[in-house]
Amino acid sequence: DTAVSQTPKYLVTQMGNDKSIKCEQNLGHDTMYWYKQDSKKFLKIMFSYNNKELIINETVPNRFSPKSPDKAHLNLHINSLELGDSAVYFCASSLGHLIGTQYFGPGTRLLVL
Amino acid sequence: AQTVTQSQPEMSVQEAETVTLSCTYDTSESDYYLFWYKQPPSRQMILVIRQEAYKQQNATENRFSVNFQKAAKSFSLKISDSQLGDAAMYFCAYRVPNSGNTPLVFGKGTRLSVIA
Repeated sequence: DTAVSQTPKYLVTQMGNDKSIKCEQNLGHDTMYWYKQDSKKFLKIMFSYNNKELIINETVPNRFSPKSPDKAHLNLHINSLELGDSAVYFCASSLGHLIGTQYFGPGTRLLVL
Repeated sequence: AQTVTQSQPEMSVQEAETVTLSCTYDTSESDYYLFWYKQPPSRQMILVIRQEAYKQQNATENRFSVNFQKAAKSFSLKISDSQLGDAAMYFCAYRVPNSGNTPLVFGKGTRLSVIA
């Protein structure tokens, strides 16, 4: 059974377009995250939601807008895509009141041409 | 700010041998969690092992074990009896316990090659 799923796995698009990445977890977790992995493999937090509320918003351009319709979903919408947005985006989830081990989705590879 | 340093960008090991990956971190917190994640070519991030800072006993998961030295802020991963499937990027990560569900802070990773 899939624990944390992301769609799509691959996304190739032109500069200036708007795109969305969806994430769903079926682990009953209350916290979800978006991480960005750049071309040098460095992983960095972008956003964190707890019970549908935004609790962490790192220095990310406001072209990136996360949306959490419910605890099991955290989507990432990106407006006016730029070349530098090309990366792998990982969704993760955890159960806040325990050790909070984060379980990751398979990643979405975004390529902006 | 917390930082995590992995000083070995690349490592290699012969199949069936043992290899140790280094990780150091900087924090002023006394309670925190440490993790090792594995990222094979499939890109999936897989939890390998985790350690609570308040526990003195080193965590072990089958062939994977850690050497946690709290005073030295060191958290190395030892892989015993290395297998071809162990080849991957390994990331060390740090997390403060729940205070707003803090995210993971990752090191830059160590690429491990396993030689048959």
